[in-house]
Amino acid sequence: QKEVEQNSGPLSVPEGAIASLNCTYSDRVSQSFFWYRQYSGKSPELIMSIYSNGDKEDGRFTAQLNKASQYVSLLIRDSQPSDSATYLCAVKNTGFQKLVFGTGTRLLVSP
Amino acid sequence: DAGVIQSPRHEVTEMGQEVTLRCKPISGHDYLFWYRQTMMRGLELLIYFNNNVPIDDSGMPEDRFSAKMPNASFSTLKIQPSEPRDSAVYFCASSELAGEYNEQFFGPGTRLTVL
Repeated sequence: QKEVEQNSGPLSVPEGAIASLNCTYSDRVSQSFFWYRQYSGKSPELIMSIYSNGDKEDGRFTAQLNKASQYVSLLIRDSQPSDSATYLCAVKNTGFQKLVFGTGTRLLVSP
Repeated sequence: DAGVIQSPRHEVTEMGQEVTLRCKPISGHDYLFWYRQTMMRGLELLIYFNNNVPIDDSGMPEDRFSAKMPNASFSTLKIQPSEPRDSAVYFCASSELAGEYNEQFFGPGTRLTVL
């Protein structure tokens, strides 16, 4: 079982819709969770981080964490074509600086 | 403020040759990370440094790979001899002093092709 699992997609949504991206992790001691966005041919950039159970909102983005079920999700409201990218989920354990990444979900937002 | 700088951006070499990738972290950042990204395996951590000292090199695939950080503003990742399976994009990232919430900032990457 991979440490961090994501559906590779592509996830296709129309412009203006809500995109829902999911991630599960296997290590129960994971404490910090991150969503990175990566455009084709570019480097990953951090868009959201979450550490506590529940929801965290930042503009059109909402991260959701459920440690009991070991999943973290990212919702993108009012999706735009510019949101088309690969979204990488990453987890970090307490006391360590190492990030473990999933293989990413490719999102396609059609006009 | 300059971000993480990597060179070269593209490298094409032949099997058996030595390859050296370079990274300059963001000034003031204490952690430096080397990652490799492939379609099959995604983004994998190879090694990371704290204050120029290697902390975890468990991701280094084999002895052909080595990394150094001689000072706070420079790091190298060397592959000798290179093999076609080393073809990937290699990213360097840096972050400030520890914390659970420290963001890693990625460089533009080096796309390596080994023929």
